[in-house]
Amino acid sequence: GAGVSQTPSNKVTEKGKYVELRCDPISGHTALYWYRQSLGQGPEFLIYFQGTGAADDSGLPNDRFFAVRPEGSVSTLKIQRTERGDSAVYLCASSPTGSNYGYTFGSGTRLTVV
Amino acid sequence: DQQVKQNSPSLSVQEGRISILNCDYTNSMFDYFLWYKKYPAEGPTFLISISSIKDKNEDGRFTVFLNKSAKHLSLHIVPSQPGDSAVYFCAATTPAASKLTFGTGTRLQVTL
Repeated sequence: GAGVSQTPSNKVTEKGKYVELRCDPISGHTALYWYRQSLGQGPEFLIYFQGTGAADDSGLPNDRFFAVRPEGSVSTLKIQRTERGDSAVYLCASSPTGSNYGYTFGSGTRLTVV
Repeated sequence: DQQVKQNSPSLSVQEGRISILNCDYTNSMFDYFLWYKKYPAEGPTFLISISSIKDKNEDGRFTVFLNKSAKHLSLHIVPSQPGDSAVYFCAATTPAASKLTFGTGTRLQVTL
């Protein structure tokens, strides 16, 4: 596609439920990143994929968060036992290589845990 | 610990004037700096960047200045236009890092 696509754009879930957030990167981009932006903050790094493998998952806040990219294209961020503090905009970005320069971000998924 | 700081949460500038957005960092290992612009309900879009081997980079109306000794960078927009109204994020990275570290953003409003 022309840009990075994230679905859904909005998700409201009850505390304790499981959610999946999807990211479709730009075709051919090998690097994929997930960031989280809480209210009043800048984006915070969660995880970086190079191809199918998670090259750096140091930003995942705890073991309730997990992400996959099984075929090196689409990625899914999975959050178990959601908490109200997980409410944020989850941003996905992709780039042609592993370079940090010139990511293209998607519009994000706004997750609200009630 | 906030390694990249944008101490002005908001800035209002008249159309045609200069907008100056500031950013400070604490990690001396950062060697590449970027500015992103974000409109509501959209993802951040890359605006301009600068390597630590330079002290200035210019692209049209946008210029980024880097002062390594002060660990400070600034984005100048001249002349400011109403379409520049957005949130601007400063970001930084190191040679070995696989991530960007962002500041908290400055909301710029360009008034008529």
